[in-house]
Order: sequence, then C-alpha cells, then structure tokens
Amino acid sequence: QQQVKQSPQSLIVQKGGISIINCAYENTAFDYFPWYQQFPGKGPALLIAIRPDVSEKKEGRFTISFNKSAKQFSLHIMDSQPGDSATYFCAASMTNTGNQFYFGTGTSLTVIP
Amino acid sequence: NAGVMQNPRHLVRRRGQEARLRCSPMKGHSHVYWYRQLPEEGLKFMVYLQKENIIDESGMPKERFSAEFPKEGPSILRIQQVVRGDSAAYFCASSPSGDTEAFFGQGTRLTVV
Repeated sequence: QQQVKQSPQSLIVQKGGISIINCAYENTAFDYFPWYQQFPGKGPALLIAIRPDVSEKKEGRFTISFNKSAKQFSLHIMDSQPGDSATYFCAASMTNTGNQFYFGTGTSLTVIP
Repeated sequence: NAGVMQNPRHLVRRRGQEARLRCSPMKGHSHVYWYRQLPEEGLKFMVYLQKENIIDESGMPKERFSAEFPKEGPSILRIQQVVRGDSAAYFCASSPSGDTEAFFGQGTRLTVV
C-alpha cells in the first residue's frame, strides 16, 4: 500500500503566488521527511528536509510545515517562479533501519508567467 | 566532487536480453540505493547496499533482478531476461551514511522492445 500519500496530483499557480503541496503518512516510525524536485529527464534533487522534532523549516522560498500529531507535512513555495515548474515528491524514511525512502506519487507544478 | 554517476543514460534491450545498469556513488559515500520509476508514478525502493553487502532487498522482484556493490567499482543492477514491464527509469542514490540525505543520479532509462 502507499505509505506516503501526496496531493494534489497537479497544481497550476500564477507567478508570485504560493504553491502548497501536502503529504500524509501512517507509519509513526518515520523520522526523516525530504522533498525532492525533479525536472523532465533528470534525477530527483533534494530540496529541503525535516525531522519530526521541529514543526517548520525554511530555506529561501521553500518551507516545510510538519504536524506530527496529524502525521502530515507540506511544502510551501513562496513567490513561485516559472523556473519552479517541475514535479515535486515528498518522501519519508526510518533512519535507524537504513533510510530507504517511501515516496509520494508526485505533484506536477506549473507556474504561469 | 562529482555527483552520483549512472550509465548508460539510455538503454534499449530486446525481450529476453540482459540489462546491466551501473552506478558510481559520490566520493566518500558507501551507501547505495536503487529505485525504479514507472511513467507518471513515484519512485519505488528496490534495494539498499553497502560495500560488498546487500542490506535490504525487500523491494526487488524475486526473479530476474539482482544487485551488487563490490569492494572496487560501481554498483550494478542486473536484470535478466527483460520483459516489456521492466521498461522504466532506474535511479541510484548514494549517502555517506544510512541516516542522512541521499543524492540521486540522473537515472538510466530502460526501454524493452
């Protein structure tokens, strides 16, 4: 079964707007939650990651919000730019058992100029 | 420091042939993960290796698929007697240890004709 559920499947945002992608997980043993950005024909690139001991992490225009009790986390892209148009994947792992990632199904983001 | 190197980038095989995919991890990284991405889907974990050891192969199909990470040289994902359903992008990721971020290669796109 899908261990990490991601929504929406696709997202269209105006330039300058906020893009929000949500993920939910079931396994409370997960302790590492990265987000990856993937352009067509390329490999996933690590964007930002969070561990469950913090509720928010910000790096530039990218912010992860983490709700441990709800078992949900989200990616916010502020001031979205056309260059942000890509597919975004959330993931979760258990670092004490090898850190294999369980990925969400991805969100295709299109930022309209 | 070069990133994770995968080759070939594209591989075409006829049904029944063997496919060999190579992955050279980043310098200093001794942990290698293989993932498969089917069209329009997220990445699925296949196998986790450290030098000369398979740590977790729970995501590997039981037949035709094997992986190794020898003491010297790249990690190899081997698919014997390929079938059309093996057509996918195969990504390798490496990590310096099993509890930190993982960096992905550009992938090998396998097409079985």
